[in-house]
Amino acid sequence: DAGITQSPRYKITETGRQVTLMCHQTWSHSYMFWYRQDLGHGLRLIYYSAAADITDKGEVPDGYVVSRSKTENFPLTLESATRSQTSVYFCASSDGLKFQYFGPGTRLLVL
Amino acid sequence: QKEVEQNSGPLSVPEGAIASLNCTYSDRGSQSFFWYRQYSGKSPELIMSIYSNGDKEDGRFTAQLNKASQYVSLLIRDSQPSDSATYLCAVNNYGQNFVFGPGTRLSVLP
Repeated sequence: DAGITQSPRYKITETGRQVTLMCHQTWSHSYMFWYRQDLGHGLRLIYYSAAADITDKGEVPDGYVVSRSKTENFPLTLESATRSQTSVYFCASSDGLKFQYFGPGTRLLVL
Repeated sequence: QKEVEQNSGPLSVPEGAIASLNCTYSDRGSQSFFWYRQYSGKSPELIMSIYSNGDKEDGRFTAQLNKASQYVSLLIRDSQPSDSATYLCAVNNYGQNFVFGPGTRLSVLP
């Protein structure tokens, strides 16, 4: 199916564990983004990528790692999860820096 | 720090009325402006984009942009209960960063 997908949709983990959130898009969009959404903060950019093998930090990158070896995939890794990383994570893609298409989100709970 | 501000609401309007949502931004270099709708528990979906001063209409939605005042608004005519959602304003300056406002929660009362 065409579009942007995220997996898992829900994840419960413990502090200190490594967690990887997956994002896959089928449009061949060059730009991809990771956001977290928390009450009171709205959407905050974690990392973005302009193309395969090109990534850059957003507003809140600490504690996160990204990679982009293929245009269609943009995984986000929490190297050592903390309770403050409990959030809803959205992946988005864009062609030419116009509007973004968002994935369905991943709800992450860190105990 | 580039900022986008919105009233958090909730904004309550009766069914059939006009809902007016407002957004201000701090970066004068901003070039692209977007309104997203987000239903509870769902992802944001684009409903309007505007790039030049003035009004842009799409069905019941009208986006208004005033770059001199650094102000963008969204009007929803003939509001329906199904319009009840959080509306996010987003701004881009043709760089890689889209900056989102905190959102305004709209409630349309039957």
